[in-house]
Amino acid sequence: EAGVVQSPRYKIIEKKQPVAFWCNPISGHNTLYWYLQNLGQGPELLIRYENEEAVDDSQLPKDRFSAERLKGVDSTLKIQPAELGDSAVYLCASSLAPWETQYFGPGTRLLVL
Amino acid sequence: AQSVTQPDIHITVSEGASLELRCNYSYGATPYLFWYVQSPGQGLQLLLKYFSGDTLVQGIKGFEAEFKRSQSSFNLRKPSVHWSDAAEYFCAVGSSSGGSYIPTFGRGTSLIVHP
Repeated sequence: EAGVVQSPRYKIIEKKQPVAFWCNPISGHNTLYWYLQNLGQGPELLIRYENEEAVDDSQLPKDRFSAERLKGVDSTLKIQPAELGDSAVYLCASSLAPWETQYFGPGTRLLVL
Repeated sequence: AQSVTQPDIHITVSEGASLELRCNYSYGATPYLFWYVQSPGQGLQLLLKYFSGDTLVQGIKGFEAEFKRSQSSFNLRKPSVHWSDAAEYFCAVGSSSGGSYIPTFGRGTSLIVHP
């Protein structure tokens, strides 16, 4: 069974540029999470999807971050414009249900110059 | 608000020695509790989880954890560490209320294994 797929694995951009991350969850997983992981820290939830509905998005900086999960499968996380402080690893995870085991992708490492 | 504390940033053990990684949480009710491991360049992998029932939970790779309500702790243990166990370990707590479910992770403990 394929795991959670994320792309790109690495991204280097200049500040004020836009950037997008893509996530393909495990087939059949209704719940999808986006996390931010800073160096030396644990993951912090940005947004959780139940099918195509965004829930628990209170920690998503909506002035510059947006996310979508069309048809309840793949998801995209966008930052526009990126700031230096956005440099981090962006993790995607999926699970059958919110309280069930989360399966994480390898993450996208973003560097904003 | 719920929170997770992993008081040890780094732990160094010799191969074959026993291991205990500490985790304390703050939450009013009984939460869902998890331990994840993250190896360099890899995604987080679940080691074990506790929802209810037996407070001693067995996981993969020979790990176990014990839920102690009175101490608000969920410490991870392994009787004999292997060099391949060197990684970052994260304790997490999840709570569900009114349709909301926000998992909270600790800052992690880095395990170093000496030969």
